[in-house]
Amino acid sequence: QKEVEQNSGPLSVPEGAIASLNCTYSDRGSQSFFWYRQYSGKSPELIMSIYSNGDKEDGRFTAQLNKASQYVSLLIRDSQPSDSATYLCAVNHQAGTALIFGKGTTLSVSS
Amino acid sequence: EAQVTQNPRYLITVTGKKLTVTCSQNMNHEYMSWYRQDPGLGLRQIYYSMNVEVTDKGDVPEGYKVSRKEKRNFPLILESPSPNQTSLYFCASASGGLTQYFGPGTRLLVL
Repeated sequence: QKEVEQNSGPLSVPEGAIASLNCTYSDRGSQSFFWYRQYSGKSPELIMSIYSNGDKEDGRFTAQLNKASQYVSLLIRDSQPSDSATYLCAVNHQAGTALIFGKGTTLSVSS
Repeated sequence: EAQVTQNPRYLITVTGKKLTVTCSQNMNHEYMSWYRQDPGLGLRQIYYSMNVEVTDKGDVPEGYKVSRKEKRNFPLILESPSPNQTSLYFCASASGGLTQYFGPGTRLLVL
């Protein structure tokens, strides 16, 4: 059974701080990794995708992938109250196959 | 506007009454998928389709049917709904099966 694990949280950070969200996965053959943000009652929206080891930066967001450790993380710099949401890690073994989601980490940014 | 649409957005029904939730995308994506989201269980894939007339089971296919007769549409059929199918349902589509874009969701209550 392929699994994706995340701490459920809530993770609470003050405004302006760095939020660090972590995810581990069980399928060593996984090739594609995604972070989605989901506001309560809304649909998930893609924040970042990463396919190779290392860091990928997009604005205030940085995704980090370590395939040897089967670990992917998301850093949010200068956290804002609008970043308060549930963050879903998703892993894909190969394109066109099932996308496995973690249960999500709830982030709360206080002003 | 590129989008995934679902109808209906909200549905209350009774046990055993067949229903269909429609999903349509206007991005010419090959890959489409259905998920259900339940508290504490996260997003779980029901069925996915890599192209017209090609469908495959996800993690929780029992009690559901799908069809993919046209590239843009991927309806989810509940032949005999039961209360344990009460959930929030999301349709998603992707090009190349990678980055998935989600519809707005359908809240289903089965009495």
